[in-house]
Amino acid sequence: GAGVSQSPSNKVTEKGKDVELRCDPISGHTALYWYRQSLGQGLEFLIYFQGNSAPDKSGLPSDRFSAERTGGSVSTLTIQRTQQEDSAVYLCASSLDDLSDEKLFFGSGTQLSVL
Amino acid sequence: GNSVTQMEGPVTLSEEAFLTINCTYTATGYPSLFWYVQYPGEGLQLLLKATKADDKGSNKGFEATYRKETTSFHLEKGSVQVSDSAVYFCALSSPDTGRRALTFGSGTRLQVQP
Repeated sequence: GAGVSQSPSNKVTEKGKDVELRCDPISGHTALYWYRQSLGQGLEFLIYFQGNSAPDKSGLPSDRFSAERTGGSVSTLTIQRTQQEDSAVYLCASSLDDLSDEKLFFGSGTQLSVL
Repeated sequence: GNSVTQMEGPVTLSEEAFLTINCTYTATGYPSLFWYVQYPGEGLQLLLKATKADDKGSNKGFEATYRKETTSFHLEKGSVQVSDSAVYFCALSSPDTGRRALTFGSGTRLQVQP
C-alpha cells in the first residue's frame, strides 16, 4: 500500500487477556517504530527496529510488552495480561532511516481499550 | 535524557489571526527538531524540520527557527485558516547519541474559528 497500515483500528479486550497489534510499513522502509499515545499525553516511544540490527527496546514499559519484526517488514506488538492502564492509541511509523532525511510516516493507529 | 515541552492547549484563534505555539527542548548533542501535525481522523505527518542551529524550517505558511541559545523551536504562522485546526507536536531526534527514535512533546490542539 501507499502508506503505513495498522490493524485492527480498534480493539476492545478484557483485563488479563493478550492482544496483538499489527503494522505494515511502507515498502522499502528499513526503520520501524512503535509509539503509544495516551489520553492527554504526548507520544511515548516504545520500540525501534532498523534493518537487521538488534531493536531498541528501551521504551517498553514492562515485560508484558514485546514486539517482533519478521522479514524486515511486518511488525507485531504483543501485550500480555493487559491492564487498564494499557488503554491508549498505539501508533506505528516507518522511515528510510537515512540520517539526511529523518521523516517518519505514521499509520492511523490502533485504539486499544482494556475493560 | 531528551525531553520536549510544549505549551498546553487548546489554543483557540479566529481566522487570519497570528499563531505561536511554544516549544522548548532538552537534549544531549546536536538534535534535529521537528513539528508534526495530526489533522482530525488522520495520522501524524511531518510539517517542517530544522537540523542545525539558526536553520528555519517552513511549510504551508508555518515557520520555526532552531534557537540553540534558548533551546527553542517555536511554531508560527502569520494568518491561520480553519483548515489549520489540528494537534501540533514538537519533536527532536539525537542520532549522535545512538537513539534514533523521536522524542515528542505532549501536543498542542489548535482550534481556528471562522
